[in-house]
Amino acid sequence: EVQLVESGGALVQPGRALRLSCVGSGFTFADYWMTWIRQAPGRGPEWVANIEENGPKTYSVEGRFIMSRDNAKNSVYLQINSLRADDTAVYYCARDINYHASGRWYDAFDVWGRGTMVTVSS
Amino acid sequence: AIQMTQSPSSLSASVGDRVTITCRASQHIGSDLGWYQQKPGKPPKLLIFAASTLQSGVPSRFSGAGSGTVFTLTISSLQPEDFGTYYCLQDYGYPRTFGQGTRVEVK
Repeated sequence: EVQLVESGGALVQPGRALRLSCVGSGFTFADYWMTWIRQAPGRGPEWVANIEENGPKTYSVEGRFIMSRDNAKNSVYLQINSLRADDTAVYYCARDINYHASGRWYDAFDVWGRGTMVTVSS
Repeated sequence: AIQMTQSPSSLSASVGDRVTITCRASQHIGSDLGWYQQKPGKPPKLLIFAASTLQSGVPSRFSGAGSGTVFTLTISSLQPEDFGTYYCLQDYGYPRTFGQGTRVEVK
């Protein structure tokens, strides 16, 4: 079964850092771009970061979010620095099909984890 | 960042109705758009990518169209299980951005 499982969510104080993990199984992990998306309570999803199949190319919404991967462990990570109250959200990792057609590459997040909750509060 | 604006923000329709949701981009994004359905307590589910390509396993009553700045998601015959919130997502530029969502209620 193709699966993603996130972990590492916690209650943390503002200004601290946190590292989230996501482990994939049931597919060749190193063949896929991976993405982190978060969703604050009662809000829509927000794209956070992605990383190419073998790294090191990565993009993020903000420099405080640092995504990395270890294909030997079928894992991606999200380091969040200088946490703020508005970082409170469920953080999902997702697999990107990275579909190629007509000379372009398209994102398509076809497998998602169940998410891990990050709460930032003093 | 590219802004994505969906309309309507919510709708209520009957089983069998044809439903259309529109997503407008603040700039040209080609066909770099996907549609996702989300039900309460679950992660989003991929329906459509590259504006009009149906994801494997998604019922054929769902279809996507558009290019440039205006896109639509159509449900040809609404079913009870189609309730939820629908989001568009542009993947033309970074950061990727979602629309604010359209909540669909099935009467």
